[in-house]
Formats: sequence, C-alpha cells, structure tokens
Amino acid sequence: SQQGEEDPQALSIQEGENATMNCSYKTSINNLQWYRQNSGRGLVHLILIRSNEREKHSGRLRVTLDTSKKSSSLLITASRAADTASYFCATPTNFGNEKLTFGTGTRLTIIP
Amino acid sequence: DAGVIQSPRHEVTEMGQEVTLRCKPISGHNSLFWYRQTMMRGLELLIYFNNNVPIDDSGMPEDRFSAKMPNASFSTLKIQPSEPRDSAVYFCATRGSGRLETQYFGPGTRLLVL
Repeated sequence: SQQGEEDPQALSIQEGENATMNCSYKTSINNLQWYRQNSGRGLVHLILIRSNEREKHSGRLRVTLDTSKKSSSLLITASRAADTASYFCATPTNFGNEKLTFGTGTRLTIIP
Repeated sequence: DAGVIQSPRHEVTEMGQEVTLRCKPISGHNSLFWYRQTMMRGLELLIYFNNNVPIDDSGMPEDRFSAKMPNASFSTLKIQPSEPRDSAVYFCATRGSGRLETQYFGPGTRLLVL
C-alpha cells in the first residue's frame, strides 16, 4: 500500500472558500512534501515541511505536520479557479531522502 | 532552464512493439526517477538513478521493462514487447544532491498500447 493516503479523494468548493486536504503516512519521516498536478501535466512541488516543524506557510498555502499522528494537512486559502488540480503528499522512503512515495491524491475542483 | 524534457509526449503503438521513452534531466541534477501513473495504481516509482547508476529498480514491473542512463544528460525507459496493460503516463523526474531537495517532473509521455 502507498505510504501516503490523502483525504478526501475529491473535493469541490466555491471560489473564494478555503480548501483543506489531509495526508496520513505510516513510517517515521524527516520531511513531507506536497505536490500539485494540473490535468495532463507533471507534478509541481509546492512546499516541504521538516519533521521538526509544525506549520509552514507559502503564499496562500499553509501546511501542518503532526508526527505523533503521522498526518499532515494542506490548506489553500481564498481558492481560485486556477487551484483546480490534484494534490499529492509525498514522503521519503529511504535514508538519503531521494526516493519518495506519493499518496493517492486529492482531486480539488474550484467552482467559479 | 528548460526543465525536465521528455519525448515523445504521446505514443500510440500496437501490442508487441518496442517503445522507447526519453528523458533529459535538468542540468546539474544527479538523481533521475522514472514513474508510471495510472488511474488504478496511482503514481508508482519504477526505477531511479543516482549519478547515472541504477540504485533501486524494485518498481520495474517485469523483464519487459528496462532503463538506462548512459550519461548525466540522458535516460531511456524501454518496453519490449509492449502490452495493453502498459498504457499509462510515464514521468521522468530529477533532483539535485541536497538532502532536502525536491523533485522536478517532466511533462510526461502518454503511452497507449493497442
């Protein structure tokens, strides 16, 4: 099974609302990453949070990490139509951090 | 920088034919990854290279799949013979050498095996 599991699998919200996606993982990690994939495109890195960080911000993105619960959340504030995409969490699965295991993804649709 | 370059972007072939997918990494990146994405199985890591050397090929489905990285600026993923179940989007991604580096994905090759 995949290291990361996103929840929900799909989410539809009105433009301007906030979107929250969750990710759970199984093993100990030293960082967790979030990626976005627009339809028909490759994945694009959004943000990396280290295991000693609890929260991190980047523009309209806010990521939290709870290592005790092995979970992370991605919040997108004031959503825009351009945020429509699939969002994946990824965790390293080897000591050198090169190898990532991606979750199943959350398909986010922003309704104009 | 042009980013990760993959070719072809689309490939339609018949079962039994050989398929070769190509990837040009970002200059200076020393790790290269091949992924396969399908609706059923999501994003799967097939193989990755570090400094042109294959490090982990445990994700390669079977002997019909092979990958090479003859130099730092080029890699290929070959399927021979191809089967309809190989239909998927294949991504190449590369990464720099820092401990907390992220991966940069190419646009993918959409493969359809008839």
